[in-house]
Amino acid sequence: ILNVEQSPQSLHVQEGDSTNFTCSFPSSNFYALHWYRWETAKSPEALFVMTLNGDEKKKGRISATLNTKEGYSYLYIKGSQPEDSATYLCAFIKAGNTPLVFGKGTRLSVIA
Amino acid sequence: KAGVTQTPRYLIKTRGQQVTLSCSPISGHRSVSWYQQTPGQGLQFLFEYFSETQRNKGNFPGRFSGRQFSNSRSEMNVSTLELGDSALYLCASSPALNTGELFFGEGSRLTVL
Repeated sequence: ILNVEQSPQSLHVQEGDSTNFTCSFPSSNFYALHWYRWETAKSPEALFVMTLNGDEKKKGRISATLNTKEGYSYLYIKGSQPEDSATYLCAFIKAGNTPLVFGKGTRLSVIA
Repeated sequence: KAGVTQTPRYLIKTRGQQVTLSCSPISGHRSVSWYQQTPGQGLQFLFEYFSETQRNKGNFPGRFSGRQFSNSRSEMNVSTLELGDSALYLCASSPALNTGELFFGEGSRLTVL
């Protein structure tokens, strides 16, 4: 059974603060790592799909890094805004005919 | 371009009944996956279909079944419902297997009384 661990489970930050979360996954047979943002009453939406060790991706104030050798990825949010409040999910897929396995998510609340 | 459409959005059933949920993927997408979300749990993988074939199945009892049609639309069925089946069921589509991000529907929220 694949284990994808995310930490912290939840956090509250003040508007303007920068924050980061961690996703840990098995380091063997890596294929891809996904990050999704899931706002309340909406569908999860993809932020990044990362496949290469050392990869860094950026979308506006949000960025992510990937270390496949040690099995972790970081998601960073710079200058958090209330609209960043959501659950951030990471998902791992290993090589071969396997499905995407999700972590339980990090729930972010940004207080104005 | 229309997104992933799931029906019904909400439904209430009683124990022992069965339920069928439907998912229409984005036009041109041939892969459909189903996930279950319950409080305190992440998205638990149920099934993955591609070109009408089940490619992967999660660790769920045989009461959970699914299928995909030639137009890529998919249905999942849960028979002999139990209280613990109350959950949000999410469907996601992608152009093909393992080709990048999943596009999710808004989900079907099932309540079992």
